[in-house]
Amino acid sequence: GENVEQHPSTLSVQEGDSAVIKCTYSDSASNYFPWYKQELGKGPQLIIDIRSNVGEKKDQRIAVTLNKTAKHFSLHITETQPEDSAVYFCAGSGGSYIPTFGRGTSLIVHP
Amino acid sequence: EAQVTQNPRYLITVTGKKLTVTCSQNMNHEYMSWYRQDPGLGLRQIYYSMNVEVTDKGDVPEGYKVSRKEKRNFPLILESPSPNQTSLYFCASSSTGLYGYTFGSGTRLTVV
Repeated sequence: GENVEQHPSTLSVQEGDSAVIKCTYSDSASNYFPWYKQELGKGPQLIIDIRSNVGEKKDQRIAVTLNKTAKHFSLHITETQPEDSAVYFCAGSGGSYIPTFGRGTSLIVHP
Repeated sequence: EAQVTQNPRYLITVTGKKLTVTCSQNMNHEYMSWYRQDPGLGLRQIYYSMNVEVTDKGDVPEGYKVSRKEKRNFPLILESPSPNQTSLYFCASSSTGLYGYTFGSGTRLTVV
């Protein structure tokens, strides 16, 4: 099955800086890569996703890039704000209908 | 409001006492799934369901049971809970099975 590795496990930045979280996947059949944000005490929430026929997708301050050849994809957050502090999960599909999640990145944005 | 509702939010129980965590969604989604979240291990899938009466094991199914008798409900059953099942549990649903899962708010289970 699919194996998704996510790095770093913890990321600490100053408000206004950029943050980058990287994931690699093992199954070349994966064609959909979502990112979820989990705030304290809540369930994960989908914030952005990318499909394999696209190399980059942006939504305001967040963007996701995909390199299918290298089997990795990244989440980029620009101009970070304290409310961006959360745990972020990437996921791959491995050709199935059920996503396999990475282990999560705890992002801390210091005011 | 479109949502996935889990109950209870918090539960403390003793080893061996059967329990059920309920999950209900109001979006008419076909796919539903249970995950457990443990520090450093991320979200691991326990069971999933692609439709009524269709369920399958995820990555960590041992010690758990599920049923899908109605489209909206997908309860998680622990027949004989053990301390290693102490965890944060999430139910999630999706219309397509891959895109855009909606998660519940979680159930924090402690087994003593």
